[in-house]
Amino acid sequence: GAVVSQHPSRVICKSGTSVKIECRSLDFQATTMFWYRQFPKQSLMLMATSNEGSKATYEQGVEKDKFLINHASLTLSTLTVTSAHPEDSSFYICSAADVAETQYFGPGTRLLVL
Amino acid sequence: QKEVEQNSGPLSVPEGAIASLNCTYSDRGSQSFFWYRQYSGKSPELIMFIYSNGDKEDGRFTAQLNKASQYVSLLIRDSQPSDSATYLCAVDRGSTLGRLYFGRGTQLTVWP
Repeated sequence: GAVVSQHPSRVICKSGTSVKIECRSLDFQATTMFWYRQFPKQSLMLMATSNEGSKATYEQGVEKDKFLINHASLTLSTLTVTSAHPEDSSFYICSAADVAETQYFGPGTRLLVL
Repeated sequence: QKEVEQNSGPLSVPEGAIASLNCTYSDRGSQSFFWYRQYSGKSPELIMFIYSNGDKEDGRFTAQLNKASQYVSLLIRDSQPSDSATYLCAVDRGSTLGRLYFGRGTQLTVWP
């Protein structure tokens, strides 16, 4: 089946630093990847749609200068949280869409900003 | 009104029973509907998707869609303790394929 990996699985950083999260589709090519954020007991909130070779499309209310997305290849998208603050602490999950546009989720990255 | 509504539960059923999970959505333009299962601390995994009105069965799972009522449900037959998880309903946003609205999820507990 379709496998999506994320790295790192957990990260703790100091306030003001930047954190990069990688999302890879391991056994299929994904023209489109998605980045979600999930706070405890909340639903997944779509942050942005990442398209290979073009700029990401951000959802309303998501700061594109704070959450930098790069989709350099058909198997890799990265999310960089710049100048992270404690309120950015969350569970960040990526998904990759296959040719049938079914989304498969990565295992998630738990970010804690101190 | 939230885009996707689910009863948060918890829903508790005995092993072997049928668990019924419900979801309503607000965007009449939505075309694709998904059920995901999420274990605590893990990311969601796809259970089923449904595009057409009616029922779709896959093993112990049956998804039901009624677009007129803007209602999607998931039935789990012969529930097992391993089915205990949070079940997320997701609906596409209509305008752009792949962009999904998620409900908050229904927590299901299957007790032995």
